[in-house]
Amino acid sequence: AQKVTQAQTEISVVEKEDVTLDCVYETRDTTYYLFWYKQPPSGELVFLIRRNSFDEQNEISGRYSWNFQKSTSSFNFTITASQVVDSAVYFCALTPMDSSYKLIFGSGTRLLVRP
Amino acid sequence: DTGVSQDPRHKITKRGQNVTFRCDPISEHNRLYWYRQTLGQGPEFLTYFQNEAQLEKSRLLSDRFSAERPKGSFSTLEIQRTEQGDSAMYLCASSPRDRYYEQYFGPGTRLTVT
Repeated sequence: AQKVTQAQTEISVVEKEDVTLDCVYETRDTTYYLFWYKQPPSGELVFLIRRNSFDEQNEISGRYSWNFQKSTSSFNFTITASQVVDSAVYFCALTPMDSSYKLIFGSGTRLLVRP
Repeated sequence: DTGVSQDPRHKITKRGQNVTFRCDPISEHNRLYWYRQTLGQGPEFLTYFQNEAQLEKSRLLSDRFSAERPKGSFSTLEIQRTEQGDSAMYLCASSPRDRYYEQYFGPGTRLTVT
């Protein structure tokens, strides 16, 4: 079975605080991709990052960073110096490298950044 | 590249009515996916097409749901005899031939069944 768990339903921070969104996944596949998407109030899913199961290197992109640890099946997302524009729902997703590449999403974490 | 478009953006219908949604993928993307997102949840896979062939359907896709992609370009998702439980956001995504994992999402169609 494949599953993505985002235990944090909602997080509220004050602008400029750092915040980490947790993601834990389950899969029996040895090859897979992990993703983070952002869903602003407009509703459209915006792709943020993709990592494959072969590459555990952490990644930084501006104020965003991602920590992938296969040993704990986690793929956490940190926003440094949060801004009001970061307010959105964030989804972690998984897809095995099989024929369909259908995405399996977590239930999302709603981030509210207060001025 | 105009992105994935969906029409309508919002639909309100009465229980028992039929509704049809349309998705136009990014041109030359040969895969098209449909997902459903209910309030407070992440999107769930419904079905996908490669060109005009429907290759997989989720158990979520009851016999009241039918999807088509007749010419391998746009796709339609029809729900017959709508129920209140069908109220959700219906999302469409497309992906290019050599990078199926790279799914580009449309803005979604929000369905409300009263």
